[in-house]
Amino acid sequence: KQEVTQIPAALSVPEGENLVLNCSFTDSAIYNLQWFRQDPGKGLTSLLLIQSSQREQTSGRLNASLDKSSGRSTLYIAASQPGDSATYLCAVLGGSSNTGKLIFGQGTTLQVKP
Amino acid sequence: DVKVTQSSRYLVKRTGEKVFLECVQDMDHENMFWYRQDPGLGLRLIYFSYDVKMKEKGDIPEGYSVSREKKERFSLILESASTNQTSMYLCASSLWDISFQETQYFGPGTRLLVL
Repeated sequence: KQEVTQIPAALSVPEGENLVLNCSFTDSAIYNLQWFRQDPGKGLTSLLLIQSSQREQTSGRLNASLDKSSGRSTLYIAASQPGDSATYLCAVLGGSSNTGKLIFGQGTTLQVKP
Repeated sequence: DVKVTQSSRYLVKRTGEKVFLECVQDMDHENMFWYRQDPGLGLRLIYFSYDVKMKEKGDIPEGYSVSREKKERFSLILESASTNQTSMYLCASSLWDISFQETQYFGPGTRLLVL
C-alpha cells in the first residue's frame, strides 16, 4: 500500500530565506507526483506536477525534484515571502495498488515571518 | 480557468439527518472526486467517478453514497449523518488521461459540523 510522508510537519522561516520541503513515498511505481498549496480553510491549488519520466519541474520561485528510485521529492522555494505561508501537500498518482487515485501526505505548514 | 464550486462553505446538521453536498465543475472533466480532510489524517478519498452514472469506492466509503446524473455534477450523500462525519469535504475534478498526467482541480471545500 502506497504511503506518503512529509517532513517536517511545520516550518517557520524569516522572509527571504530559501527553503526545502521533503516528501517520501513507499512504492516507486507512480505515474506522477504533484505538489499542492492549501491556504487556511480553502481548497487545494496545484503548484507543480512531475511526470514519472521527469526529474524536476520549475514554476517561478518554485522547483520540485523527483527521485523515483529512492522514493523522494523535494519542493524548493527561493527567496520566501510572507505570501508563501500556507500548507504544502505532496501527492502521488499510481503505485501498484492505487492506480488512478491520488495518495496525499499530511502536509508541511509553512510560516514565513516578515 | 477551471472552476469547481461546492454548494456550501459551512454546514451544520443534526445526527441522523440526510445530508447532500453538491459539487459542480465547468470544464467538461470526466473525472470527479470526493475527499474528506481531517487533522492528523490528511486527505482521504471517499468516492470517485470516471463518467456519468459511474462510481467507484475510495478508501473510506462507509456511511456515504454518491450520485452522478450529469457530467458536471457530483453529489456526496450522507444517508444518516453521524458526529464522526464532522469534517472538511473537498471535491475535485480532472480530465481523463490514459497516461494519468492531468492534475486535479479542487473546490473551496465544505466544512460540515454534525451535532
